[in-house]
Amino acid sequence: TQLLEQSPQFLSIQEGENLTVYCNSSSVFSSLQWYRQEPGEGPVLLVTVVTGGEVKKLKRLTFQFGDARKDSSLHITAAQPGDTGLYLCRSGTYKYIFGTGTRLKVLA
Amino acid sequence: KAGVTQTPRYLIKTRGQQVTLSCSPISGHRSVSWYQQTPGQGLQFLFEYFSETQRNKGNFPGRFSGRQFSNSRSEMNVSTLELGDSALYLCASSLAGGPADTQYFGPGTRLTVL
Repeated sequence: TQLLEQSPQFLSIQEGENLTVYCNSSSVFSSLQWYRQEPGEGPVLLVTVVTGGEVKKLKRLTFQFGDARKDSSLHITAAQPGDTGLYLCRSGTYKYIFGTGTRLKVLA
Repeated sequence: KAGVTQTPRYLIKTRGQQVTLSCSPISGHRSVSWYQQTPGQGLQFLFEYFSETQRNKGNFPGRFSGRQFSNSRSEMNVSTLELGDSALYLCASSLAGGPADTQYFGPGTRLTVL
């Protein structure tokens, strides 16, 4: 069974700080997606990474896919309260496996 | 364009009962997937439908079933409810399904089993 472990599980930081969230697996994936879920809503796709070593930027968010396509990271620069939410990675396989999640809270 | 809608938003049932949840996908989307989200197990894939056919299935018991209609609307049914079925049930639609396709999630149905 493929597992996607995310770390840290919880993160509470002050506005303006930087942070990195990790998504790790022992399996190789053809692609990996990152989602953010806010309370009372479903997850919203942030980005899809496909190529090993790929780096994608979305405003203050930087996503990286590991060279071996087994891991990924999400870095947020100068976090804002609007970044608060549950961050989920998802494997690019037909079993739609989601990571264990990182719950981020950014304090004003 | 309207997003994915799910009804009802909240539901309370007792053990042993059955429940049916509904999902209306974004217009033009032919694939609907269902997920269960709990604090302990996270977000887990239930099944995926495309053009009225179940194309993919997760590791859930047979008490969990679903179907899709010709207009792409989907329903999922849980029979003989157990306390552990309390969860947020999410549906997601996409144009054609598959892991490369972007899924758009609805707000979910919060099911509480007493």
